[in-house]
Amino acid sequence: EDKVVQSPLSLVVHEGDTVTLNCSYEVTNFRSLLWYKQEKKAPTFLFMLTSSGIEKKSGRLSSILDKKELSSILNITATQTGDSAIYLCAGSPGYMDSNYQLIWGAGTKLIIKP
Amino acid sequence: NAGVTQTPKFQVLKTGQSMTLQCAQDMNHNSMYWYRQDPGMGLRLIYYSASEGTTDKGEVPNGYNVSRLNKREFSLRLESAAPSQTSVYFCASNQRSEQFFGPGTRLTVL
Repeated sequence: EDKVVQSPLSLVVHEGDTVTLNCSYEVTNFRSLLWYKQEKKAPTFLFMLTSSGIEKKSGRLSSILDKKELSSILNITATQTGDSAIYLCAGSPGYMDSNYQLIWGAGTKLIIKP
Repeated sequence: NAGVTQTPKFQVLKTGQSMTLQCAQDMNHNSMYWYRQDPGMGLRLIYYSASEGTTDKGEVPNGYNVSRLNKREFSLRLESAAPSQTSVYFCASNQRSEQFFGPGTRLTVL
């Protein structure tokens, strides 16, 4: 059965700290791993990773995929209160019908204290 | 482009009532999805449509039906609402792996 597990489930840090969020996956014919940020509304796309070891960066956020370990991390440096959100990880399996379903983790709730 | 739109944004139902949640996308995507999200549970797939004319059950389909009216529109129907269906419902669409989400519908069943 396909599954994606995120850890920790919740995290509270102070502004300026660096955080690392974890995602492990078991996904049929793995295609890619995606990270989303969810504030008080719909999830918004952050990164998609398909190749192992290649880091994707956007400002203070970065992510890397380890295909050998079937895992990914999302790093946020110099955190700000605006980074407070739920961070969702999803695996994209390669099903035979070309359906692009995503298998979602439960999310990590990140709270940044001023 | 409006992206993915959903109506209504909020709804309160009594147990046993029925309603339809509407979703439309203007990105010419083949695949569309309905999720529900409950606290601490992440996104759970209710139904999906890989292409116009096809629909399939996801992880939690009981109590729901869907219609893929055309390539743009994918509706979710609750025939007889139950308190366990109180949740936030998201519609999403994609062409490849990245999914785009609508703003969500917050549904309360009393």
